[in-house]
Amino acid sequence: GNSVTQMEGPVTLSEEAFLTINCTYTATGYPSLFWYVQYPGEGLQLLLKATKADDKGSNKGFEATYRKETTSFHLEKGSVQVSDSAVYFCALTPRANAGKSTFGDGTTLTVKP
Amino acid sequence: DTAVSQTPKYLVTQMGNDKSIKCEQNLGHDTMYWYKQDSKKFLKIMFSYNNKELIINETVPNRFSPKSPDKAHLNLHINSLELGDSAVYFCASSPGGVLSYEQYFGPGTRLTVT
Repeated sequence: GNSVTQMEGPVTLSEEAFLTINCTYTATGYPSLFWYVQYPGEGLQLLLKATKADDKGSNKGFEATYRKETTSFHLEKGSVQVSDSAVYFCALTPRANAGKSTFGDGTTLTVKP
Repeated sequence: DTAVSQTPKYLVTQMGNDKSIKCEQNLGHDTMYWYKQDSKKFLKIMFSYNNKELIINETVPNRFSPKSPDKAHLNLHINSLELGDSAVYFCASSPGGVLSYEQYFGPGTRLTVT
């Protein structure tokens, strides 16, 4: 079956530090890949996505590149802010089945001033 | 305008009771989902519906039953509630299509069973 493995948290960084959250996946075919963010007390929001190999998704200073050769979709941001403190989820959806998404376990990020 | 809404936001009830959580989406999406998030933030998909047809059903107890009166609504009924059912339940929807499938989540319903 499909699976998503995320870097374990929690991750604590100082403001303006560089962020990387690793995500690797196992899936057949060419799934679409996503990063979602969950702020405290809220539901998940789509942060960025990529639908084919070598695509780069970007939003709010965050980036992730779909790497088929390493089956990875690592999330990066050059300079984090306190407001980026949240839980980040990596996810995949296979093209053959719209209803069969797989989420990683989430990584909690805390950014300190 | 809220895209995906859930009611109630908080639900406190006793063991053995039956309860429902309602979900509505005004995005015109084809697929809706229910997720359970535990205290460690792990997210588990429970059900999804596509045009009123159940298309996946993970290994959840049959005390949980989704009901979709129309394409915009997917309600979750829970019978004989147990302590382990305490969690945050999220509804979500997605537009379908070939490449996309991003999901739009509701704000969640925090269920506490005492």
